[in-house]
Amino acid sequence: NAGVTQTPKFQVLKTGQSMTLQCAQDMNHNSMYWYRQDPGMGLRLIYYSASEGTTDKGEVPNGYNVSRLNKREFSLRLESAAPSQTSVYFCASSAGVLQNYGYTFGSGTRLTVV
Amino acid sequence: EDQVTQSPEALRLQEGESSSLNCSYTVSGLRGLFWYRQDPGKGPEFLFTLYSAGEEKEKERLKATLTKKESFLHITAPKPEDSATYLCAVPHADTGRRALTFGSGTRLQVQP
Repeated sequence: NAGVTQTPKFQVLKTGQSMTLQCAQDMNHNSMYWYRQDPGMGLRLIYYSASEGTTDKGEVPNGYNVSRLNKREFSLRLESAAPSQTSVYFCASSAGVLQNYGYTFGSGTRLTVV
Repeated sequence: EDQVTQSPEALRLQEGESSSLNCSYTVSGLRGLFWYRQDPGKGPEFLFTLYSAGEEKEKERLKATLTKKESFLHITAPKPEDSATYLCAVPHADTGRRALTFGSGTRLQVQP
């Protein structure tokens, strides 16, 4: 009964380094999402995948890429990290966003870029 | 453009002191308004979905209501364990209603 699993939980990167944030769900959900959360800014959508094989840009996609590896997994890649990407990143999944409960969230990845 | 605005940003209550949180929205054709609770260091957890004006839903000390322009989260006789950030969200038109856009949240602190 894991729900949405994100790895790693914490990460420190140097400016210019790259990394991939992993997300997996075990609820057979069709849709998956990546958000970032900054103080006073709320949750902002980076990318989403409405169904396996599709990905779309959200509100703040610059500096990120995503891969919907299969129905379970949706990864977020930072090719060249910048201090402005210091944030808490949340992955979420849903059977469909208009379903009664909306999203199930992971516990987040706290990323610091120095 | 779809917008969601929450107020106040922060609210401090004494245990047992009832109050309300506000979520104002500007959405063409509302397809659901969602409330979530977020504890520090954790991901948001689902509370309620409201679909039409006049609808109300309750869970323990929380009651969510919806009008054509805003939603309220009423907290009756809160306890310290109700301390959290409360977020509201709506399906955003720019994503074809396939993703949620969130307000910036209300940080609630309930003191014993």
